[in-house]
Amino acid sequence: EIVMTQSPATLSVSPGERATLSCRASQSVSSNLAWYQQKPGQAPRLLIYGASTRATGIPARFSGSGSGTEFTLTISSLQSEDFAVYYCQQYNNWWTFGQGTKLEIK
Amino acid sequence: EVQLVQSGAEVKKPGESLRISCKGSGYSFTSYWISWVRQMPGKGLEWMGRIDPSDSYTNYSPSFQGHVTISADKSISTAYLQWSSLKASDTAMYYCARLSPGDWFDPWGQGTLVTVSS
Repeated sequence: EIVMTQSPATLSVSPGERATLSCRASQSVSSNLAWYQQKPGQAPRLLIYGASTRATGIPARFSGSGSGTEFTLTISSLQSEDFAVYYCQQYNNWWTFGQGTKLEIK
Repeated sequence: EVQLVQSGAEVKKPGESLRISCKGSGYSFTSYWISWVRQMPGKGLEWMGRIDPSDSYTNYSPSFQGHVTISADKSISTAYLQWSSLKASDTAMYYCARLSPGDWFDPWGQGTLVTVSS
């Protein structure tokens, strides 16, 4: 099983600032990496697939990068609605998720 | 609009059986696999298994193989997740999600909360 490790567990950022979230795979997943956002009481929502392609309707302030084992989700200028938990997921070999990064208001 | 609508919250006792559902609409239900994902209270996401609604072929995560059964009825565009004997440790939110051709999950159902308590 491919283990996905996200860091940090919690990230405190002020609105308007940039947030950078990391995700590491225990072995190469190529670019088969997705990012999801989950707000309290809601289902996860797809943000990024193919490591760097924004899903339909996702604002341009969200960007993804990386390949192989190291990936990054960047939110360029945080809006109030962006404070949530973010999960990475590999789909190169079945499916596994990271443990999540909680993005909170500083 | 592509949508997955799940059945409502359930409260069950240990040892009871349960089947929850996920109804797809707005697309050809038999053209996309459906996956099930568990989220235990305050925890992360775990892939449980998937089904091809066109022929009901399934794959399970080793962690869930033998503990749950995934099925589908393509005539009513509905996938199911069922337990024959619930345990307290099955208490969780369960999500269904459509597998894209590229294998990411989109969209997700709204979730079904299952509570197992004596």
